[in-house]
Amino acid sequence: DTGVSQDPRHKITKRGQNVTFRCDPISEHNRLYWYRQTLGQGPEFLTYFQNEAQLEKSRLLSDRFSAERPKGSFSTLEIQRTEQGDSAMYLCASSSDSFNEQFFGPGTRLTVL
Amino acid sequence: EDQVTQSPEALRLQEGESSSLNCSYTVSGLRGLFWYRQDPGKGPEFLFTLYSAGEEKEKERLKATLTKKESFLHITAPKPEDSATYLCAVRGNTGFQKLVFGTGTRLLVSP
Repeated sequence: DTGVSQDPRHKITKRGQNVTFRCDPISEHNRLYWYRQTLGQGPEFLTYFQNEAQLEKSRLLSDRFSAERPKGSFSTLEIQRTEQGDSAMYLCASSSDSFNEQFFGPGTRLTVL
Repeated sequence: EDQVTQSPEALRLQEGESSSLNCSYTVSGLRGLFWYRQDPGKGPEFLFTLYSAGEEKEKERLKATLTKKESFLHITAPKPEDSATYLCAVRGNTGFQKLVFGTGTRLLVSP
C-alpha cells in the first residue's frame, strides 16, 4: 500500500500523560499536513510542513502541541499533558508540489480518560 | 475568514433516487474547492477538485459543479455503497496550504 499511513490507529491515555503520533506520507510527496476532527465536524487544520520546514500553524495548536518532520520524511505530532478536550481523530495528509489535492491517512483516534 | 457551509446535514435516499448536496462558501481568493468522501472511522477519500465557476467533474455516479458562491455534488441513481459522509473544503489565499472544511452531509442510501 503506497498511501499515507499513521500509527497508532487508536490510543487511549489518561489525562496529563504525553502522547506521540506518527505519520508516513506518500513517498514522493513533500508537503505534509495535520488536522484534527471531532465527532460530527469536518477536519480542522493544525499545521503544515513543506519538506522539513513547518510553514503554517493554526491558533488551535496550543503550546502543548508540537510537530516535527525531521529530514522531510515522516512526521510526529506530540501532545503534552493531555486534556479530555484533546480527544479526537488526528488526521495526517500529504500532497505534492504539482497538485493541490491532499491525500489523507486513516487517522489516529485519541481518547483521553 | 474562509467559511464553508454544507446542507443538508443528513440525507436519506432510496436506491436509485437521485439528489444533490450543497456546499456554500466564502473565501478570499479561491485556490480550489475539494470534495471528499469519508466512511465511519476512516480518513477522508479525495473525490474532486474544482477551480473556477462553470467547471464540472464526474466520477461514476457523482458529478461536482461550481459557481462563484457554491458547489453541488450531484448523485445519480445512488447505490447503498454510496452511503458515507461527503465533505466539502476550500483553499483560499489567506494561508499557505490549509483546507477549510464544512461539517459534511451524512448520506444514507437504502436498498
